[in-house]
Amino acid sequence: AQKVTQAQTEISVVEKEDVTLDCVYETRDTTYYLFWYKQPPSGELVFLIRRNSFDEQNEISGRYSWNFQKSTSSFNFTITASQVVDSAVYFCALRPMNRDDKIIFGKGTRLHILP
Amino acid sequence: SAVISQKPSRDICQRGTSLTIQCQVDSQVTMMFWYRQQPGQSLTLIATANQGSEATYESGFVIDKFPISRPNLTFSTLTVSNMSPEDSSIYLCSGRGQGGGYTFGSGTRLTVV
Repeated sequence: AQKVTQAQTEISVVEKEDVTLDCVYETRDTTYYLFWYKQPPSGELVFLIRRNSFDEQNEISGRYSWNFQKSTSSFNFTITASQVVDSAVYFCALRPMNRDDKIIFGKGTRLHILP
Repeated sequence: SAVISQKPSRDICQRGTSLTIQCQVDSQVTMMFWYRQQPGQSLTLIATANQGSEATYESGFVIDKFPISRPNLTFSTLTVSNMSPEDSSIYLCSGRGQGGGYTFGSGTRLTVV
């Protein structure tokens, strides 16, 4: 089965706190892509990162960092020193490479950053 | 990566009418996809739009309700036909570029009254 689980439906933190959004995935494929997207209240989907299953290096981009652990099938996303503009719904997604081109989305985590 | 212009950005429509949503990509993309996002929910794939052939629909979606066109590698339309309030959603198109990246349009927020 191909599945993405984002167990946290909604999270609220105070500005400047760090916050981690969890993502666990299931796939039988040995090669796949993982993604994170941000959806602000305006509705568009903003690409944040794509990770190939062969590349387990963690990545940092400014205040954002991603922890990919194949052993636990997790691809968690941390925002350091959160800001009000980070308030959005965040989606984790999976694309198994040996299938058609479909992306499988998690249900999303709604993040509220409180001033 | 490709940039997708989607329009309209929002619309309020009467039940029983139809709305056509357009997506224009600034470069050729191999695959295009149409998603529905109901209020507070995740994205659900409606169909994959194939250039020069009929779209491939996911379970629960049919061509009569959601006809799709893909006349070339940079353009696609989705029509929501015979609308009812249950069709009120955000509709998003997506394109897969040559490098494997996926870009999304800005979405169409549809309200059916």
